[in-house]
Amino acid sequence: DTGVSQDPRHKITKRGQNVTFRCDPISEHNRLYWYRQTLGQGPEFLTYFQNEAQLEKSRLLSDRFSAERPKGSFSTLEIQRTEQGDSAMYLCASSPQGASSYEQYFGPGTRLTVT
Amino acid sequence: EDQVTQSPEALRLQEGESSSLNCSYTVSGLRGLFWYRQDPGKGPEFLFTLYSAGEEKEKERLKATLTKKESFLHITAPKPEDSATYLCAVRPSGGYQKVTFGIGTKLQVIP
Repeated sequence: DTGVSQDPRHKITKRGQNVTFRCDPISEHNRLYWYRQTLGQGPEFLTYFQNEAQLEKSRLLSDRFSAERPKGSFSTLEIQRTEQGDSAMYLCASSPQGASSYEQYFGPGTRLTVT
Repeated sequence: EDQVTQSPEALRLQEGESSSLNCSYTVSGLRGLFWYRQDPGKGPEFLFTLYSAGEEKEKERLKATLTKKESFLHITAPKPEDSATYLCAVRPSGGYQKVTFGIGTKLQVIP
């Protein structure tokens, strides 16, 4: 398995536009996480899925953000009406169920720039 | 609210000069403390999970230890390829999946 993949790797958009990012987790992992990371900061938790169910959402996830994992495999994160403050690296991670569930494996991230 | 404080923010070492990175945490019941390595422009890479005070884990030149209030990442005889940002994170007990990260320690190892 090649690990967690994210697409696109980079996205430049104008303020007010909508953007959507995709994450493909490691195939046997049923847990999926989204994080946001700005320069010089650690990743900030956004949301968590177990299979297709979204079980946790951070207060950081405003009404403009929505995430889905329709079939319990890949996930999408959509940001509507982007603002300059949304510029960040968006990271996806996955983990297996069971004893190793604490080990999160991160993708390379999608870097969003809002102009 | 869970908090993670890492120090120093940046550390410059000569190759072979051992040192330690500190992670102080405040959490409502610790389910796990994690160390990750992050290279520029990449996602974090999992290193260790520690579950209870007194626990230690090792991987190559890295050794992580845990007390009730802090964790240390000891780097023995570092090499230039150990240069990266090292992130500490905690997960509270209670069934929550949210993990809180510190801002990291940026380590530079000079040949």
